[in-house]
Amino acid sequence: GAGVSQSPSNKVTEKGKDVELRCDPISGHTALYWYRQSLGQGLEFLIYFQGNSAPDKSGLPSDRFSAERTGGSVSTLTIQRTQQEDSAVYLCASILQPGQGQYEQYFGPGTRLTVT
Amino acid sequence: AQSVAQPEDQVNVAEGNPLTVKCTYSVSGNPYLFWYVQYPNRGLQFLLKYITGDNLVKGSYGFEAEFNKSQTSFHLKKPSALVSDSALYFCAVRNLSGGYNKLIFGAGTRLAVHP
Repeated sequence: GAGVSQSPSNKVTEKGKDVELRCDPISGHTALYWYRQSLGQGLEFLIYFQGNSAPDKSGLPSDRFSAERTGGSVSTLTIQRTQQEDSAVYLCASILQPGQGQYEQYFGPGTRLTVT
Repeated sequence: AQSVAQPEDQVNVAEGNPLTVKCTYSVSGNPYLFWYVQYPNRGLQFLLKYITGDNLVKGSYGFEAEFNKSQTSFHLKKPSALVSDSALYFCAVRNLSGGYNKLIFGAGTRLAVHP
């Protein structure tokens, strides 16, 4: 079946521009996560959506970062006024039903963002 | 605070030899532990998990991991390494704070299997 998809796969942008990264979770998965993976680093949690609950935004590094999830499916991560330190791979993951015996997250291939 | 440590940045193994990638954790309560693998230019793939039950859990691609409560460890193992196992491996623990099903990841260990 179809897995988590992300677009674009690569994005090069100039410093100061805004970017939007898209995530399509696995159909029917209720929870969606965004992570950031910088070169040589582990995964940094950014934001979490679960059904109709308020998202957990505790990992967003600054107010330039925001995300939304429309209709409980597709999610968009927006970075405004990009900085060079925003360069990283942005990963999206989803879970079918957290807490209902479903704990493993399924990851997309990521979007590699380069800010020049 | 909950945390995961992978003490080795890189592990080098000869093909056919057994491999171990180390992971230790710190959590309050019962840990839910995971291993993921990341191949070059790919997303993370789930390998295995420990929730409850047998301390030795088996996963994909012949990998297994042993949960050791007294040593707070969850080391990843494979009896005979393949060159194709070369990748970046992440250990993770479920974060129970705030009631959300977040994962806390270790920094990753790069496994290099040499022919």
